[in-house]
Amino acid sequence: SYVLTQPPSVSVAPGKTARITCGGNNIGSKSVHWYQQKPGQAPVLVIYYDSDRPSGIPERFSGSNSGNTATLTISRVEAGDEADYHCQVWDSSSDHVVFGGGTKLTVL
Amino acid sequence: EVQLVESGGGLVQPGGSLRLSCAASGFTFSTYSLNWVRQAPGKGLEWVSYISSSSGTIYYADSVKGRFTISRDNAMNSLYLQMNGLRAEDTAVYYCAREGRIGDGDPTSQKDFWGQGTLVTVSS
Repeated sequence: SYVLTQPPSVSVAPGKTARITCGGNNIGSKSVHWYQQKPGQAPVLVIYYDSDRPSGIPERFSGSNSGNTATLTISRVEAGDEADYHCQVWDSSSDHVVFGGGTKLTVL
Repeated sequence: EVQLVESGGGLVQPGGSLRLSCAASGFTFSTYSLNWVRQAPGKGLEWVSYISSSSGTIYYADSVKGRFTISRDNAMNSLYLQMNGLRAEDTAVYYCAREGRIGDGDPTSQKDFWGQGTLVTVSS
């Protein structure tokens, strides 16, 4: 089955840029969606179809997808961005929705 | 305002059964496909099952296939998950999540709205 690999944790200072990767075999051929989840809360969609932003999500959040890696980029990181981030794709080979293991973003 | 409200969670013994419900409002329920996604304590998200808007397409994760059954009632704006043969590893918060694209077919789109979840604990 298809596997998505995320780093368990990423740390960044306030005001800097955070990059969270999501690795998968030829993931560039799939559509990647990203979710933010704060402790005790439900996930919130932050990026869909690789790079689109839902209304209400700051422009500081952006996404890209090519080759074997998709990336969620958060510019000018704020304390409120501290959360777990999950990537997700649809794997048509197995008829399964697949999530990455999640990345904990820590704002130093 | 789109709302998804899960219910039916609780404590159940191994081998037992539970039926989860998800009540939807704020959108035309019959035109959207839906998912169940779970999260074990301290773990990541795990997709459980998908049902298309017409119930014509249904998928399950390998870990629950043959034990769980997803269904929906478009007249009642409700989504269900019948869980049988529960195991300790099924312990998790269960979320219902709406597919972001209107219509039937495969769950290729984003999950744009999520409920707050209901906790299922399987333990003796």
